[in-house]
Amino acid sequence: KNEVEQSPQNLTAQEGEFITINCSYSVGISALHWLQQHPGGGIVSLFMLSSGKKKHGRLIATINIQEKHSSLHITASHPRDSAVYICAVVQGAQKLVFGQGTRLTINP
Amino acid sequence: DAGVTQSPTHLIKTRGQQVTLRCSPKSGHDTVSWYQQALGQGPQFIFQYYEEEERQRGNFPDRFSGHQFPNYSSELNVNALLLGDSALYLCASSPLAGERNEQFFGPGTRLTVL
Repeated sequence: KNEVEQSPQNLTAQEGEFITINCSYSVGISALHWLQQHPGGGIVSLFMLSSGKKKHGRLIATINIQEKHSSLHITASHPRDSAVYICAVVQGAQKLVFGQGTRLTINP
Repeated sequence: DAGVTQSPTHLIKTRGQQVTLRCSPKSGHDTVSWYQQALGQGPQFIFQYYEEEERQRGNFPDRFSGHQFPNYSSELNVNALLLGDSALYLCASSPLAGERNEQFFGPGTRLTVL
């Protein structure tokens, strides 16, 4: 079993829909990242959080430390949101352990 | 600030050859981590360098080695390449003293082993 599990692995939705991607982890962490990866490979950090909730534009990330679970929400989804979203937890001195990613496709 | 840069962007090698990938961290960052991302998978931690020494290592064989220079830039070397080494190699930098553990990623080097 992977230390970081994401669901779903693939998600296709229509423009405007509310999107939720889930991440569960089984190890102790100091923080959790949500990352976005577009075709071609470049990774952009969306959020880093260790408790509670963060919001940036149409993106919202939450984390429940007791339940070892985090969610990434996208409101009013748009085709440009299509990408792979990756959850990564911070272990030790900044070592990242990654989930397998969720491939999101938003159709116009 | 150029952010994290990596070179080359693409590379094709044959089995048995050796390869060197390069990473320059974001200005002000002194810690460099390397990750391997196979197609369709999440990245896997290879190792991390700080103060020119390897601080942490993932589950990768000794064929994978690295180096960090006094200017904090880093190299990843892979010897005796295997077909399975074909992947996107990502470099990330962070300020070790930073309290937020935030990492910034480079664009990656795509290695193809034939």
